This record gives sequence, C-alpha cells and structure tokens, in this order.
Amino acid sequence: EIVMTQSPATLSVSPGGRVTLFCRASQSVAGNLAWYQQKPGQAPRLLIYAASTRATGVPARFSASGSGTEFTLTISSLQSEDFAVYYCQQYDKWRPEEPTFGPGTTVDIK
Amino acid sequence: QVQLVQSGPEVQKPGASVRVSCKASGFSFTVYFMNWVRQAPGQGLEWMGMMNPNTGETIIPQKFQGRVALTRDASISTAFLHLSGLTSDDTAVYFCARRTLDPERAFDFWGQGTLVTVSS
Repeated sequence: EIVMTQSPATLSVSPGGRVTLFCRASQSVAGNLAWYQQKPGQAPRLLIYAASTRATGVPARFSASGSGTEFTLTISSLQSEDFAVYYCQQYDKWRPEEPTFGPGTTVDIK
Repeated sequence: QVQLVQSGPEVQKPGASVRVSCKASGFSFTVYFMNWVRQAPGQGLEWMGMMNPNTGETIIPQKFQGRVALTRDASISTAFLHLSGLTSDDTAVYFCARRTLDPERAFDFWGQGTLVTVSS
C-alpha cells in the first residue's frame, strides 16, 4: 500500500492570503494524484487530477504541481468558501488498483 | 446532470449487517467504475473498494475482504455496499464515488453520504 502524508495538519490564514499545502507519497506515483476539498457535512469535491489539471468549474486560484513523491496545492487569494479540509489521493495507474488518501490539511480562518 | 443519491441513515447493532445504496443518474451507469469510501467521525477518508458495473467485477482491499461485498442492479442504475460483522469501529459516513474514465482514476462525483451508526 502506498502511504500518503500531508503537511501541515492545520493552516491558519487570513482571507485574501495565499497558502501552499504539501502531499508526499511513500513511493513514486508519477503524476497520478488528485486533490479534494471537503467542507463540514459535505462530500469531498474533486479539485485537481493528474497532479495539476483543474477539474471542471474549479477556480483558477487553485493550482497544483508535482510528480513522483512530492506534490503541492496552492490557493492564491483565499476566499471565505475556501476554508475547508483538503485531501490528496494517489491512484497509481501502473499497479493493481488501490487508491489511498492522505490524512488531510485543515485550512481555517486566522 | 450527474447525480449519485444514497440511501438514508442506518442504526445497526454490533454483529449485524448493513446495505447502503447509491442511485446514479445523468450518465451511463455501466461505463464508470463505482467506488466506496468511508469517513469515521472527525477522521479522514478510507477507500473500501470498487466495482465495474458492467461486469460486476470488484476490487476489495485486504482490510475489508470477507466483510464487504459490492453489487449492482444495472436495470435501476444502482450500486450497493454490503458490510457485515459490524462493530463500533464501522460507525462512519459511507460515500459512493464515481471514478473518472481511464487513463485518469480520480473520483469526480460523490454521493451525499450515508451515516451508519453501530450501537447496542
């Protein structure tokens, strides 16, 4: 099983600020990584797939990069609706299918 | 539009079984693999397995083998999660999630979640 880790666990940011979240895989997943946003009481929402491709309808203030084992998600100019928990997920296409999620990073209001 | 609508909350006793349904609409049910993910209170996301609705073939991680079964009724575009041998550790919100088409395998649409509470 590929283990995903995320840092930091919590990030306190002022509205309008910029944040970068980090995700690391225990072994290379190439570019097979997704990011999800989850708000309290809601299902996760796909933000990014293929490490850097925004899903349909995702604002341009969300950007992501990385490959192999190190990945980042950046949110520029945080809006009130961006305060949430963010999860990364690997879905390595070259191994038997067993997607795994990171533990999440909480972005809250400073 | 794509929708995944899940069945309502469940309260079950330890040792019992539960079935959660996920009705799909707005897309061809047999084309997209369906996944199940659970989230214990205050915790992260845990993948429980995936089904090919066209063939019925499933992939279940070792942790859940023997306790989880994934089935479907393609005639009503509905997937089912069956979980047996319930313990308090199974108290969680259970989500179904559609997997994008190959080559990518992210989960692009999710059901609203079904709370399963295991309590004596």
